[in-house]
Amino acid sequence: ETGVTQSPTHLIKTRGQQVTLRCSSQSGHNTVSWYQQALGQGPQFIFQYYREEENGRGNFPPRFSGLQFPNYSSELNVNALELDDSALYLCASSPWDRGAGANVLTFGAGSRLTVL
Amino acid sequence: DAKTTQPNSMESNEEEPVHLPCNHSTISGTDYIHWYRQLPSQGPEYVIHGLTSNVNNRMASLAIAEDRKSSTLILHRATLRDAAVYYCILSGANNLFFGTGTRLTVIP
Repeated sequence: ETGVTQSPTHLIKTRGQQVTLRCSSQSGHNTVSWYQQALGQGPQFIFQYYREEENGRGNFPPRFSGLQFPNYSSELNVNALELDDSALYLCASSPWDRGAGANVLTFGAGSRLTVL
Repeated sequence: DAKTTQPNSMESNEEEPVHLPCNHSTISGTDYIHWYRQLPSQGPEYVIHGLTSNVNNRMASLAIAEDRKSSTLILHRATLRDAAVYYCILSGANNLFFGTGTRLTVIP
């Protein structure tokens, strides 16, 4: 089975620009979550998508938005980039049919965003 | 969300067992205990999870205290490839809330 793939692996943007990150979920998984990991910190939950709708959101402003497509792939969009948005952005997929709390996530290797 | 407390770092000799502790005194009855690890330059990787009973899989064992306020991840024989940051996470929904984890160093 294929794992979670993310693109691009690295990118550099300047303050105020917009960025789109992409994620292909693992085969058989219908739920996608996005996480932000600042240097030296653990990943922080941004939001989750299930059936093409947002299903839960962490403490991130509206300029962080996402999409999920019918094939379960996903995009993370960040508008008006700030210096503090520099981080590793991780995508994780999972099946939905497990009991809440028991879901096992499969993570991609991440997209490293640098904002100058 | 319930919090977990882990030591910032631990060391182990290669081929020795490693016990990574985690305290979660505010755990609720429906919270699962998950362990993930993150190797350098990679995304987190699932290790093991459990609710009440001890669990074993090919990677590790999870020992859960009877009152569920603490747990221990056991790597039976540490290898150099086990050097990583290990995260203990409580999950009551479909999301995981990570702390800063324990950085495990394996000494050859």
